[in-house]
Amino acid sequence: EPEVTQTPSHQVTQMGQEVILRCVPISNHLYFYWYRQILGQKVEFLVSFYNNEISEKSEIFDDQFSVERPDGSNFTLKIRSTKLEDSAMYFCASRDRAEKLFFGSGTQLSVL
Amino acid sequence: SQQGEEDPQALSIQEGENATMNCSYKTSINNLQWYRQNSGRGLVHLILIRSNEREKHSGRLRVTLDTSKKSSSLLITASRAADTASYFCATPKTSYDKVIFGPGTSLSVIP
Repeated sequence: EPEVTQTPSHQVTQMGQEVILRCVPISNHLYFYWYRQILGQKVEFLVSFYNNEISEKSEIFDDQFSVERPDGSNFTLKIRSTKLEDSAMYFCASRDRAEKLFFGSGTQLSVL
Repeated sequence: SQQGEEDPQALSIQEGENATMNCSYKTSINNLQWYRQNSGRGLVHLILIRSNEREKHSGRLRVTLDTSKKSSSLLITASRAADTASYFCATPKTSYDKVIFGPGTSLSVIP
């Protein structure tokens, strides 16, 4: 069964460093999303992406964040200058024509 | 978009019992979706019910939707220990609306 894959599964970085989280959505899906979940808290929407541009973003998704679909398969989330509070599990998701979201296993980001 | 609110926050039952959790929302919706999250893992889509549907079944899952009360319920019959997870509803207003999640119901099924 097709699945959304995310790499790396764990990322440790120093505060102020840039990180890029990578995702390969399911191939015939057209909508892509990033969510994050701080330990013990709810899953928070960051951004949705359609037709090579951002369709919606939350207040969390400030100028430090950017998304890109550099080729036909990858979908990346970049955090330019990480802060301690960016430590969280980041999930990528893609949506099928029936409007169901399929999630990856996540990247656990730890900012030290 | 709007966030659905799941109720109760936590539910603990014995294996074999039925589990019922609810979702309430405030404005009109295009569809309502239920997802499950096992600890530390990605969300898994369970079932989608459209605004013109009243009930839907999938295996041991039964979802009802009452648009007049702006609420939905998810029933898991004959629960198993493997059903232990957090359950979330999502209530997009249109087909293109972002999908956001409430705080969820944490279900514990005791063997």
